[in-house]
Amino acid sequence: DMKVTQMPRYLIKRMGENVLLECGQDMSHETMYWYRQDPGLGLQLIYISYDVDSNSEGDIPKGYRVSRKKREHFSLILDSAKTNQTSVYFCASSPGGEETLYFGSGTRLTVL
Amino acid sequence: GQQVKQSSPSLTVQEGGISILNCDYENDMFDYFAWYKKYPDNSPTLLISVRSNVDKREDGRLTVFLNKSGKHFSLHITASQPEDTAVYLCAAGENQGGSAKLIFGEGTKLTVSS
Repeated sequence: DMKVTQMPRYLIKRMGENVLLECGQDMSHETMYWYRQDPGLGLQLIYISYDVDSNSEGDIPKGYRVSRKKREHFSLILDSAKTNQTSVYFCASSPGGEETLYFGSGTRLTVL
Repeated sequence: GQQVKQSSPSLTVQEGGISILNCDYENDMFDYFAWYKKYPDNSPTLLISVRSNVDKREDGRLTVFLNKSGKHFSLHITASQPEDTAVYLCAAGENQGGSAKLIFGEGTKLTVSS
């Protein structure tokens, strides 16, 4: 069963704390993505990774960094979280040669 | 500015009617267009997509119309059902060596009333 798994599902952090959001996929997809979803703004692309250690900024990369050391894992890191990073974060993957995105269930992050 | 825009945040349609969802884009280089469906607290899933070399694609009750000169595409859902109630996200992008950096619209919440 093809799957994109995100952990954790819900997370509450205090301003200034570090945050690690994990994403895994079992489909050997080359490309992985991190989006955030905010009311009235839809899904905004934070980072895209074309393969291991081949990452590229999306439209809103400021305040975020990513790590992809294995094809099946893509992590989103917030160093010193800010309250305006409260959002729902979606990870997605797509196979090479295809544009279809397969999304994880999302992580709802609250930064107090 | 918003590269992909859905001007209607919400739409209500009677059961059995036609739902028409609209999306405008800015970038001439976009060559891939898609509609995703999202239920509350669930992840978006692909409904239907089309490449720029066609101006229409049908799949059951779903039809995507692409108007390249107007930089506009739409999703028509015929015989709308209550289970079609969801948020619909349009997306567009440019195929870059096999993958596309998809830009999403803000979403339109469709409610099908019985």
